[in-house]
Amino acid sequence: GAGVSQSPRYKVAKRGQDVALRCDPISGHVSLFWYQQALGQGPEFLTYFQNEAQLDKSGLPSDRFFAERPEGSVSTLKIQRTQQEDSAVYLCASSPRQGPPGEQYFGPGTRLTVT
Amino acid sequence: DAKTTQPNSMESNEEEPVHLPCNHSTISGTDYIHWYRQLPSQGPEYVIHGLTSNVNNRMASLAIAEDRKSSTLILHRATLRDAAVYYCILNGGSNYKLTFGKGTLLTVNP
Repeated sequence: GAGVSQSPRYKVAKRGQDVALRCDPISGHVSLFWYQQALGQGPEFLTYFQNEAQLDKSGLPSDRFFAERPEGSVSTLKIQRTQQEDSAVYLCASSPRQGPPGEQYFGPGTRLTVT
Repeated sequence: DAKTTQPNSMESNEEEPVHLPCNHSTISGTDYIHWYRQLPSQGPEYVIHGLTSNVNNRMASLAIAEDRKSSTLILHRATLRDAAVYYCILNGGSNYKLTFGKGTLLTVNP
């Protein structure tokens, strides 16, 4: 079946521009996660949704980052006034369960480059 | 969060077994041991998880020490497609998010 998809796969933004990254989770998956992966590092947690409710946004690095999942399916991660330090791969993952030990299924990521 | 320790890198030959170790001496009773791997330019991929007993699936086996302070991911016959970064992660209780370390970079030689 279809896995997690993300779009765009690559995004180049000029510093100060706003960007929106889309995630289509596996159909029926309750939980959705966003992670940020800097070059050479492991992914770092950003935020977590259970259906449409954002239950944890403790990993968002600043108030320029905003995520939503209005109908409990597709999610969008928005970054306002992008900075060079925002350059990273943004990964989305979904899980059929609400908590551990549920395995997470990751998308291919969106590589954001801020120039 | 309980922490895991893995070697930075390991090397293997094609068609040989690979044993990837992970130490987690501060593991709590509710922590599951998860393994994910990440191939170049791809998102992480779930491999296997376990709590106390050894686990097998089509991808790998997970051997968990009796005191749960260490575990080993076993790839029974390495292929070139198994070359990836392997992450050992503890996840349990109310902790739904995955905390990735640096993982082990596995190189498979033909």
